[in-house]
Amino acid sequence: EAQVTQNPRYLITVTGKKLTVTCSQNMNHEYMSWYRQDPGLGLRQIYYSMNVEATDKGDVPEGYKVSRKEKRNFPLILESPSPNQTSLYFCASSLSRQSYGYTFGSGTRLTVV
Amino acid sequence: DQQVKQNSPSLSVQEGRISILNCDYTNSMFDYFLWYKKYPAEGPTFLISISSIKDKNEDGRFTVFLNKSAKHLSLHIVPSQPGDSAVYFCAATGVTSYDKVIFGPGTSLSVIP
Repeated sequence: EAQVTQNPRYLITVTGKKLTVTCSQNMNHEYMSWYRQDPGLGLRQIYYSMNVEATDKGDVPEGYKVSRKEKRNFPLILESPSPNQTSLYFCASSLSRQSYGYTFGSGTRLTVV
Repeated sequence: DQQVKQNSPSLSVQEGRISILNCDYTNSMFDYFLWYKKYPAEGPTFLISISSIKDKNEDGRFTVFLNKSAKHLSLHIVPSQPGDSAVYFCAATGVTSYDKVIFGPGTSLSVIP
């Protein structure tokens, strides 16, 4: 089944403790992206990647890092999480940047206390 | 400043009636528009799109209308079904936004049986 898989689905952590949210897609998509969803703000792009070793900042990149060493994986790294990063996170992929019908993962609910 | 606006956070409609979800945008250079649907505990799924060269696109019960002069689009669902109850995100993109997809804040639709 074609899908984007995120792990974990739920995570509660403490301020400053590094964490990684994994994202993997099995569709051989070139383009991958991370979004966060907050009430009243919709989905805001954190980082995106157009292909392996090609990543760039989205609208809200502060406090996040990403890497794209393999085509299928695009982990989101929070080096020192803070409470304002409490949010619902989605990974998405598409064939290319201009293929706008994204496939989204099921989301990761992160709480930073 | 939000470039894509959905001014109704929620909408309730009787089963069998028409649901109309509205979206306004501020960037006149947007030339491609999408609607995504999101159920609780799932990621958004692509629903329907429209290019700026058209003013209407239909897919089964779903029709999107685009009024470029008013910078307004709407999603019509006819007839509405209880399974349509979800959050609907409007999104826009274009060459001048470097193909970045900008999402609105979403409208929560409840279809009452």
